[in-house]
Amino acid sequence: GAVVSQHPSRVICKSGTSVKIECRSLDFQATTMFWYRQFPKQSLMLMATSNEGSKATYEQGVEKDKFLINHASLTLSTLTVTSAHPEDSSFYICSAPSTGLKETQYFGPGTRLLVL
Amino acid sequence: AQSVSQHNHHVILSEAASLELGCNYSYGGTVNLFWYVQYPGQHLQLLLKYFSGDPLVKGIKGFEAEFIKSKFSFNLRKPSVQWSDTAEYFCAVKGGVYGGATNKLIFGTGTLLAVQP
Repeated sequence: GAVVSQHPSRVICKSGTSVKIECRSLDFQATTMFWYRQFPKQSLMLMATSNEGSKATYEQGVEKDKFLINHASLTLSTLTVTSAHPEDSSFYICSAPSTGLKETQYFGPGTRLLVL
Repeated sequence: AQSVSQHNHHVILSEAASLELGCNYSYGGTVNLFWYVQYPGQHLQLLLKYFSGDPLVKGIKGFEAEFIKSKFSFNLRKPSVQWSDTAEYFCAVKGGVYGGATNKLIFGTGTLLAVQP
């Protein structure tokens, strides 16, 4: 099946710094990618839809100036957590849909962010 | 807005027991339904999906799910679980708005399954 990678797999940063997370589709092109956030013992919450060549679409309640998304190419989307705070500590997961009528999401392995 | 509920947060079974995990969604219309599995330390993997046709869907590793439109349900089943099935299982729904569908996946809260050898 299709493969989606994320880098880094885990990151620890100081409060106030910015962290960039990359999401790559390794063997297929994705004009759209999705960014999710997963809190411990909770479900995945969609944060935003990343669109290649245009602005990302953010879900209600997600600060677009805090979570910057750039979809630079058909295989790469980045999420930058700006001025991170401890409450931003979470598991961030990206996904990319396969093409075709029976679209299926392929998920990356996730990035564990810890803000001290 | 569409929402997905999974009734069981934790399930503990012995090997060879039968499994059924409940999943219900809130809005009807045209929906696509999915079950994903997350093994310890691994990323989400697709178990099975329903788009149309036969409401009984068979997936990988002996799992199946039945779409019951009248009950807004898509329960996951496996007749005989194995220790290697220990994982977290997520139900997800796409669409569900009458007259149109979105491409957003809405996830349930997940069910943690522990299979005792």
